[in-house]
Amino acid sequence: EAQVTQNPRYLITVTGKKLTVTCSQNMNHEYMSWYRQDPGLGLRQIYYSMNVEVTDKGDVPEGYKVSRKEKRNFPLILESPSPNQTSLYFCASSWTSGSYDNEQFFGPGTRLTVL
Amino acid sequence: GESVGLHLPTLSVQEGDNSIINCAYSNSASDYFIWYKQESGKGPQFIIDIRSNMDKRQGQRVTVLLNKTVKHLSLQIAATQPGDSAVYFCAENYNQGGKLIFGQGTELSVKP
Repeated sequence: EAQVTQNPRYLITVTGKKLTVTCSQNMNHEYMSWYRQDPGLGLRQIYYSMNVEVTDKGDVPEGYKVSRKEKRNFPLILESPSPNQTSLYFCASSWTSGSYDNEQFFGPGTRLTVL
Repeated sequence: GESVGLHLPTLSVQEGDNSIINCAYSNSASDYFIWYKQESGKGPQFIIDIRSNMDKRQGQRVTVLLNKTVKHLSLQIAATQPGDSAVYFCAENYNQGGKLIFGQGTELSVKP
């Protein structure tokens, strides 16, 4: 089954404790992206990757890191989480960006709470 | 800065009626637009997209209209069903770059 998986689905942590949220897709997509979703603010892009070893900042990259060492995986790293990073996070992938019928598949989301 | 926004945060319709969800965008350089549907507890799901060289595109029960003059995008859902109840987001992209900017979303509620 074609899908984007994220782990963990739920995480409660404390300020300053490094964490990684994994994202994996099995569709051989080149493009992957991370978003956070907050009430009243919609989805905001954190980082994206057009291909392996190519990453770039979205609108809200501060406090986050990513890596794209292989095509299927795109982990999101919070080196020193803070309470304002409490949010619902989505990973997504697609063949490319900005092309017709280029369906972007989203993962199920990771609910992160930073105390 | 540039942003995508929505006229109506909530929309309630009767089952069987047509629904129209609106979106305003401010970046005149954006050339690709997408509509997503997000059901409660799930990730967004692609519905339909349109490029700036078109005014209209139709899918199954959905139509997207693009008015570049007033920077307005709309999603029309024909014969709305209870399963259409969800939050709908528009998003914009420029020049096939990696950045995607989402609107805040409109919650569609379908009354049986």
